[in-house]
Amino acid sequence: AQTVTQSQPEMSVQEAETVTLSCTYDTSESNYYLFWYKQPPSRQMILVIRQEAYKQQNATENRFSVNFQKAAKSFSLKISDSQLGDTAMYFCASLGKTGTASKLTFGTGTRLQVTL
Amino acid sequence: GAVVSQHPSWVICKSGTSVKIECRSLDFQATTMFWYRQFPKQSLMLMATSNEGSKATYEQGVEKDKFLINHASLTLSTLTVTSAHPEDSSFYICSASRGTGGGQPQHFGDGTRLSIL
Repeated sequence: AQTVTQSQPEMSVQEAETVTLSCTYDTSESNYYLFWYKQPPSRQMILVIRQEAYKQQNATENRFSVNFQKAAKSFSLKISDSQLGDTAMYFCASLGKTGTASKLTFGTGTRLQVTL
Repeated sequence: GAVVSQHPSWVICKSGTSVKIECRSLDFQATTMFWYRQFPKQSLMLMATSNEGSKATYEQGVEKDKFLINHASLTLSTLTVTSAHPEDSSFYICSASRGTGGGQPQHFGDGTRLSIL
C-alpha cells in the first residue's frame, strides 16, 4: 500500500520568489516513481516533474526541481522564479513499479497562489 | 506528444439518464487507461483501471454496474454512468499510460464536469 501526505493545504509566494512544497510518502515497493502534477483552474492535470526512486540525483525541469530524500521518504518541489501562471493546485503522487498493478496514489494537494 | 482528449467537457442531464464519457489518446497507444473522480477541492480518487481488450479493474467501493468502462482499442476508453442521479455529479478525469510497466507517467485528459439535475 502507498500513502502520500501533503501537509500544506495552501501556500502563497510573490512573483519571482522561490517556494517549496512539501510531500512525504510511504510505500512497500522496492522501486517506485514519484511525480508532481499541477492542476490550474482549468482543471487539467499537467505533469510537472518525475523522479525515479533508484536515482539519487534530484530531477530538474527548468524552474522546477525536487529534493528527494529517500531515507526520510520526502519529496519536496521547489519552484524558482515563480510566475503568475504557476498559480494552481499541486499534487504529489507515487507510483509503484509492479506491472499491471501500477497505480498512482495522490496526496491531498497544496493550493499555490502566486501574487504580484 | 502524449495528448489525451476527453469528451464532453461538461454535461448536464436529467436524473435517470445514462451518460457516456470518452477518453482518447491522440498521439500514442495507451495500453492502460485510468478513470478518476474528483470532488470540489479534493484530490483525485481512482475509480478503475482499464487495459485494452480486457475487463476493467474497479477500486473498492466503486459500483461496476453503475460505472461501465470499455477499453475497446489502444486509443479509446469510455466511461458510462448508468441511470445517473444527483449524487453522481462530479468531475471525472481520465488518464492514459503507454505501458503497464512501472514508471510510465499518466497523461491526463481535461476532465468532464457532470451535473445531474
